[in-house]
Amino acid sequence: AQTVTQSQPEMSVQEAETVTLSCTYDTSESDYYLFWYKQPPSRQMILVIRQEAYKQQNATENRFSVNFQKAAKSFSLKISDSQLGDAAMYFCAYRSENTGNQFYFGTGTSLTVIP
Amino acid sequence: GAGVSQSPRYKVAKRGQDVALRCDPISGHVSLFWYQQALGQGPEFLTYFQNEAQLDKSGLPSDRFFAERPEGSVSTLKIQRTQQEDSAVYLCASSPHQGPSYEQYFGPGTRLTVT
Repeated sequence: AQTVTQSQPEMSVQEAETVTLSCTYDTSESDYYLFWYKQPPSRQMILVIRQEAYKQQNATENRFSVNFQKAAKSFSLKISDSQLGDAAMYFCAYRSENTGNQFYFGTGTSLTVIP
Repeated sequence: GAGVSQSPRYKVAKRGQDVALRCDPISGHVSLFWYQQALGQGPEFLTYFQNEAQLDKSGLPSDRFFAERPEGSVSTLKIQRTQQEDSAVYLCASSPHQGPSYEQYFGPGTRLTVT
């Protein structure tokens, strides 16, 4: 099974500043999808951003962008202009192209935004 | 536009009791997933349905766990003879199509506490 590692259990950022959350994964596959999900205290997981492994261009969604390094199997999330509403648990997830039913999630990073 | 709903939101069961957790996916969504999220961990895959067919149940931890989706919409996760290690948040997710590129939409989860 694929493994997803988030080495930062907790991170904090000043409001309006930029923060980067790290994620690495282990796979022997060449085709797959990577996701960042946000889980606020309400527990409802919300998709933040998605990256297809075959695309070299890094995905961006407004203030959120990724740094996808396929050879290094790294998929970090950058949040720019951090807002109080960004405070949540962030999960990195992997999904196979070939056996693509389930997500493999990391253990999460708890992000605190300091006013 | 209702999202994925789950009921109950909280369930306390005495060890040995049976419980049933319900998931109402987004209308028309073909794929439905169940995940188990232990405290401080990322969600872990339990089982997957495509319409009414349970195509993958490899993540179910024991034969005490059973899931069904008889009409291809609402799904129920049943846990028989609950044990303390079953205490977790159970998340349901649905997706409009089969395939790894599609986003999974998550419900708020059911927090099960076994005493």
